[in-house]
Amino acid sequence: AQKITQTQPGMFVQEKEAVTLDCTYDTSDPSYGLFWYKQPSSGEMIFLIYQGSYDQQNATEGRYSLNFQKARKSANLVISASQLGDSAMYFCAMRGMNTGNQFYFGTGTSLTVIP
Amino acid sequence: GAVVSQHPSWVICKSGTSVKIECRSLDFQATTMFWYRQFPKQSLMLMATSNEGSKATYEQGVEKDKFLINHASLTLSTLTVTSAHPEDSSFYICSAGTGAWANTGELFFGEGSRLTVL
Repeated sequence: AQKITQTQPGMFVQEKEAVTLDCTYDTSDPSYGLFWYKQPSSGEMIFLIYQGSYDQQNATEGRYSLNFQKARKSANLVISASQLGDSAMYFCAMRGMNTGNQFYFGTGTSLTVIP
Repeated sequence: GAVVSQHPSWVICKSGTSVKIECRSLDFQATTMFWYRQFPKQSLMLMATSNEGSKATYEQGVEKDKFLINHASLTLSTLTVTSAHPEDSSFYICSAGTGAWANTGELFFGEGSRLTVL
């Protein structure tokens, strides 16, 4: 079974500051993918960043970077230079390559950017 | 990125009726589609995985006779909530992946469909 844990139900960050959203996971699958999605109040799911379990380098996409620590089974999202438009729910997700490719989400973190 | 469209965005129905939600991949062929359910301020709960041309794989606890999923083509999957009741009211989201998605990682999500059963 796979499990995704996001321990921060809500986070606040000052505009232009960096913020780290935590995500830990548990899986028996040797090959897996880790994702972060943003869900604004409109409900759409916006893909932010992806990290493969065999990727040697941490993924980066613009202001988003993923701090992947495989031994600790953590995949924290770092948002640099926060903007007001970053206020949203953020979900960590995982897909196991060898377990039917099902895609599971964590409980989410609500991020509020303060002007 | 690729576009996945869901229809309808909002639907209100009477208890006991059936509702069909469509999920279409507009500019790519979706070999795999996922259906999720999301309650307010909660996470997305995977309901089922559907592969084109085969029966959907339902998650434990999801009634397959109540939530009928059909993935008849590479661009369309449908979720039918049969004999809907107020407790079925929720936000339903589909996502789709291409044949290459296992390597690229990205799934594409629809806009979601908000179902309210009176």
